[in-house]
Amino acid sequence: GIQVEQSPPDLILQEGANSTLRCNFSDSVNNLQWFHQNPWGQLINLFYIPSGTKQNGRLSATTVATERYSLLYISSSQTTDSGVYFCAVLSGGYNKLIFGAGTRLAVHP
Amino acid sequence: NAGVTQTPKFQVLKTGQSMTLQCAQDMNHEYMSWYRQDPGMGLRLIHYSVGAGITDQGEVPNGYNVSRSTTEDFPLRLLSAAPSQTSVYFCASSSLGGTQYFGPGTRLLVL
Repeated sequence: GIQVEQSPPDLILQEGANSTLRCNFSDSVNNLQWFHQNPWGQLINLFYIPSGTKQNGRLSATTVATERYSLLYISSSQTTDSGVYFCAVLSGGYNKLIFGAGTRLAVHP
Repeated sequence: NAGVTQTPKFQVLKTGQSMTLQCAQDMNHEYMSWYRQDPGMGLRLIHYSVGAGITDQGEVPNGYNVSRSTTEDFPLRLLSAAPSQTSVYFCASSSLGGTQYFGPGTRLLVL
């Protein structure tokens, strides 16, 4: 089946720093989503991005489907950005999401 | 809209007990699914449904049953709980091909 790899696995930042998280996938996908899991365990949708670039405030994402990767950019990081960021791809039919193992981000004041 | 709701939030079971995790959504989504999340890992698909009366297996279906009698509800049944089923369970819903929305999760401990 399709493989989803995220890097780096862990990331520590000082407040105000910028970062780039990467998601590689092994086969063509119908779609891709980025999620943030906050320290309380809640999964929050960030982007639904099959291709191209989207921006939402300090966050933006780019997916290059032909090269099988997606990037999540976090600018001017804040302590509330801490948590785990997951990339998940939609493979085949019926909205079956395949998740990567996540990038654990800690932002220190 | 409440979105996707799950009950209970926490549950402790003894090995061999059965229970049902409840999931409901009020967005009229056709697609609903159950995932489990184990420590340090991403979510893995257990079962999914593309509409009332239609269910299918995901990546890790053994030990779980589902049914979909209405559009709104998608309960997950543990038939005979095992310690390996200790996990956090998430329910999700979406329109077909659309963004998936997740519930708050149920933390299950099997002793």
